[in-house]
Amino acid sequence: DVKVTQSSRYLVKRTGEKVFLECVQDMDHENMFWYRQDPGLGLRLIYFSYDVKMKEKGDIPEGYSVSREKKERFSLILESASTNQTSMYLCASSTGTVSNQPQHFGDGTRLSIL
Amino acid sequence: AQKVTQAQTEISVVEKEDVTLDCVYETRDTTYYLFWYKQPPSGELVFLIRRNSFDEQNEISGRYSWNFQKSTSSFNFTITASQVVDSAVYFCALSEADDKIIFGKGTRLHILP
Repeated sequence: DVKVTQSSRYLVKRTGEKVFLECVQDMDHENMFWYRQDPGLGLRLIYFSYDVKMKEKGDIPEGYSVSREKKERFSLILESASTNQTSMYLCASSTGTVSNQPQHFGDGTRLSIL
Repeated sequence: AQKVTQAQTEISVVEKEDVTLDCVYETRDTTYYLFWYKQPPSGELVFLIRRNSFDEQNEISGRYSWNFQKSTSSFNFTITASQVVDSAVYFCALSEADDKIIFGKGTRLHILP
């Protein structure tokens, strides 16, 4: 069965810290995505990757970076965490063309920045 | 620019009632894809259905059905004989060819026992 695993369900960090959110998929999918979900705003795409070492900006990349050194792992990095980055973060993966294939999601990481 | 509107922010119905979740989309492309996802309280989004723009047939899967109407740019989702386990946030999403998926803001559905 399809499995996307996010390293933490809950995470609390302090302002200014460098934060790493990890995501691993076991389906050999080419595409991986990072979203944030906020009340009233739905899901917003931060970054995505369609191949190893490739990355593309989504709608709200500011304050974030990503790393995809291996096909199965896609990391989201908050270089210097700020309180407005408190949110639910969702990782997803898909195969084939980015646009037309369903995405498989992890359970999410609820990140609080104090 | 593509856009997805889920006008219903929150809906509450009593168990066993039917409920329809609305989704209206905007796109200039003739080739596009529509999706529905369910997000239960556990947090993980679960894929429910994908429909491409050339396939206007309605779909039924158990108590779930989808009505795709290009004339009104709508892709509505109906749950028949709702159950408490249907309580979740439901997202409609759209993608155009060679472009990323855009999600609506979601509809939170409460099924009351």
